[in-house]
Amino acid sequence: QKEVEQNSGPLSVPEGAIASLNCTYSDRGSQSFFWYRQYSGKSPELIMFIYSNGDKEDGRFTAQLNKASQYVSLLIRDSQPSDSATYLCAVLTSGSARQLTFGSGTQLTVLP
Amino acid sequence: NAGVTQTPKFQVLKTGQSMTLQCAQDMNHNSMYWYRQDPGMGLRLIYYSASEGTTDKGEVPNGYNVSRLNKREFSLRLESAAPSQTSVYFCASSEVGNTQYFGPGTRLTVL
Repeated sequence: QKEVEQNSGPLSVPEGAIASLNCTYSDRGSQSFFWYRQYSGKSPELIMFIYSNGDKEDGRFTAQLNKASQYVSLLIRDSQPSDSATYLCAVLTSGSARQLTFGSGTQLTVLP
Repeated sequence: NAGVTQTPKFQVLKTGQSMTLQCAQDMNHNSMYWYRQDPGMGLRLIYYSASEGTTDKGEVPNGYNVSRLNKREFSLRLESAAPSQTSVYFCASSEVGNTQYFGPGTRLTVL
């Protein structure tokens, strides 16, 4: 079983709508969670990170974390065509190695 | 600041050839990483270096070697390239446990 699971999509939403991206993880000891955006042919770039249960907002982006359910999500409000990209969920593993484990990504398309 | 730089950007090899991918960062980060990205597989960790002078295997280390040359530079070597190593390779750096910053990637094709 993959340690970090994401729906591969593609997910399509109309411009102006809310896009909801979901991620589950298996390592119950994980403490840090990251969302990266990757445009086609480009490298991943950080959107947000979250450490604590609850919501964290940054502009149009909101990250939500529920450690009891081992679930992290990213909401994009007022979606724009420029948000069309692949979104990668990454989890910092517990233990001495403390490596990032990535999901396979969700491809989002925002339709004008 | 250039951030994380990688060379080359593109490379085509024949099976059995060797090559070294170069990575450098100017953010004074202690930790550096090499990933490969294949369609539908996400990013998979090949090797990492938590600090200068140390290297450790990641999820998919077979067929690769690494050298942490100094705090800034971390290279990845393919000794005998195989078609299964056709991929996009990303280097990243971070402070331990914190955000990783990625280079632009190297697109490698092994024929």
